[in-house]
Amino acid sequence: RKEVEQDPGPFNVPEGATVAFNCTYSNSASQSFFWYRQDCRKEPKLLMSVYSSGNEDGRFTAQLNRASQYISLLIRDSKLSDSATYLCVVEARAGNMLTFGGGTRLMVKP
Amino acid sequence: ETGVTQSPTHLIKTRGQQVTLRCSSQSGHNTVSWYQQALGQGPQFIFQYYREEENGRGNFPPRFSGLQFPNYSSELNVNALELDDSALYLCASRTLDSGGALDTQYFGPGTRLTVL
Repeated sequence: RKEVEQDPGPFNVPEGATVAFNCTYSNSASQSFFWYRQDCRKEPKLLMSVYSSGNEDGRFTAQLNRASQYISLLIRDSKLSDSATYLCVVEARAGNMLTFGGGTRLMVKP
Repeated sequence: ETGVTQSPTHLIKTRGQQVTLRCSSQSGHNTVSWYQQALGQGPQFIFQYYREEENGRGNFPPRFSGLQFPNYSSELNVNALELDDSALYLCASRTLDSGGALDTQYFGPGTRLTVL
């Protein structure tokens, strides 16, 4: 079983749609959680950190459920520019390596 | 732009050869990590260096080795290249302070290695 699991997609959605991605992780001692965005043939870039209380950044909302070891990302009012691969990332403890999921590909169409 | 640079951008090698990839960290960052990203997969952690010493390693064989220099730049060396080593190699830097706190990790654009 992979340490961080994501549905690879692709998710094909029309502009303006709301789309949700889910991720599960296996290490219950994990401390920090992130969503990264990766465009085709580019490096991953931090989209947002994820907190237990949930956090929102514009059209993006991230949620963490430690009991279920589950992380989510909600994108509202999808834009064409949101088309990318979204990587769920877990850090076991401060200073440790980042463990990435395989990524979920999103394609937003006109 | 993150300030993390990598060279070369692309590289083609043959099986059995050796390769050295280079990374310059963002100014002020003292910790560098290397990741391997195969096509269609997420990045996999190779190792991390802090103040010129390896302080974490993923599930990679010893033929993957690294160095960090006093100016915090870094090298990844891979010996006896295999076909499965073909991947995007990403360098990432961050700052670890004396209290153990870390800021965000920033990735370089990567080196795409093809092994024939």
